[in-house]
Amino acid sequence: NAGVTQTPKFQVLKTGQSMTLQCAQDMNHNSMYWYRQDPGMGLRLIYYSASEGTTDKGEVPNGYNVSRLNKREFSLRLESAAPSQTSVYFCASSPSGGAHEQFFGPGTRLTVL
Amino acid sequence: KQEVTQIPAALSVPEGENLVLNCSFTDSAIYNLQWFRQDPGKGLTSLLLIQSSQREQTSGRLNASLDKSSGRSTLYIAASQPGDSATYLCAFTSGTYKYIFGTGTRLKVLA
Repeated sequence: NAGVTQTPKFQVLKTGQSMTLQCAQDMNHNSMYWYRQDPGMGLRLIYYSASEGTTDKGEVPNGYNVSRLNKREFSLRLESAAPSQTSVYFCASSPSGGAHEQFFGPGTRLTVL
Repeated sequence: KQEVTQIPAALSVPEGENLVLNCSFTDSAIYNLQWFRQDPGKGLTSLLLIQSSQREQTSGRLNASLDKSSGRSTLYIAASQPGDSATYLCAFTSGTYKYIFGTGTRLKVLA
């Protein structure tokens, strides 16, 4: 069981470039999440998908889009990267919403120059 | 605005000590609270989940308690070891899909 996997592990972008962060889980979980972690600010929810076919905004959605490709995969896209999006991005999954534990991936460290 | 506060921000203790990490939250309508461990450069590992109907959960040397009326949770680590050195985060949800995270307590256990 791989759990939650994320690619890439590291990425450097120039301002204005686009990229997609990939996330997959093999635990048959219904819900998936994208967070960003910045020093001194804790984890903040960007978007979440309660179940396959649905997505909703979290606390800091501006500048991001997501796709729940299927039950396993949930991707995060930066259309035009900005230095303020330099952060560590974590994907997580849970069986279903707030009643259950969240399981996290290893993270993607993104730097936007 | 819902907030989670973790005090202290950093803590150093000698090996073998019992210690308590604190987590305070502003929303009394808490649905569940989860404690995580994060090693440097790594993702979060779930330690304990406390449902709103529960007062505590235990796993090995770890015990987490939840007091909704005072808006507090504590993580008790017994007989600390150098391998316990990490950042410990708590997060709660009010029943939706949105978890609110604290900024963590960075623990160092000295050999």
